[in-house]
Amino acid sequence: EPEVTQTPSHQVTQMGQEVILRCVPISNHLYFYWYRQILGQKVEFLVSFYNNEISEKSEIFDDQFSVERPDGSNFTLKIRSTKLEDSAMYFCASRESGRAGKNIQYFGAGTRLSVL
Amino acid sequence: GESVGLHLPTLSVQEGDNSIINCAYSNSASDYFIWYKQESGKGPQFIIDIRSNMDKRQGQRVTVLLNKTVKHLSLQIAATQPGDSAVYFCAEMPEGSARQLTFGSGTQLTVLP
Repeated sequence: EPEVTQTPSHQVTQMGQEVILRCVPISNHLYFYWYRQILGQKVEFLVSFYNNEISEKSEIFDDQFSVERPDGSNFTLKIRSTKLEDSAMYFCASRESGRAGKNIQYFGAGTRLSVL
Repeated sequence: GESVGLHLPTLSVQEGDNSIINCAYSNSASDYFIWYKQESGKGPQFIIDIRSNMDKRQGQRVTVLLNKTVKHLSLQIAATQPGDSAVYFCAEMPEGSARQLTFGSGTQLTVLP
């Protein structure tokens, strides 16, 4: 069964360093998302991406964050200068289309980011 | 701002009993709702969805009920099994092109032997 894959599973970084979290969405999906989940809290939307551009972003997604689809398969989230409060699980999700029955977002297993 | 929230943070049930997990939402613009299951160390896993033009939808051992009048969503799990132990999130999706999900706080379901 097709799935969303994320790498690495755990990323440890020093405060102020740049990190890139990688995702491979399901191959025929057109909509891509990043969410984060701080330990013990609910999943929060960060950004959505469609047709090679950001379609929506939350207040969390400030200038330190950027997303890119560098090729036909990868979807990345970059945090330019990490802060302690960026420590969280980051989930990538993808959705096939906007048609009825194709709205389900499928999630990857996540990348745990630990900022020291 | 508007948000999706859950009534109970934890729920313990005996194996074989039915489970009911509740959720309140407040965004009247949402037209699509999903229940996700999250096991420890894993990403949210789709369970069942429902559109706002429906009030009930059944899957295998799961049923979702939607009451738009009081903005309430529930997930019923029949004959709960140990493998059902997880955190359950409801999520709403407002109309719009991006269709991002707003998640509730989650309910920890524990199935007792």
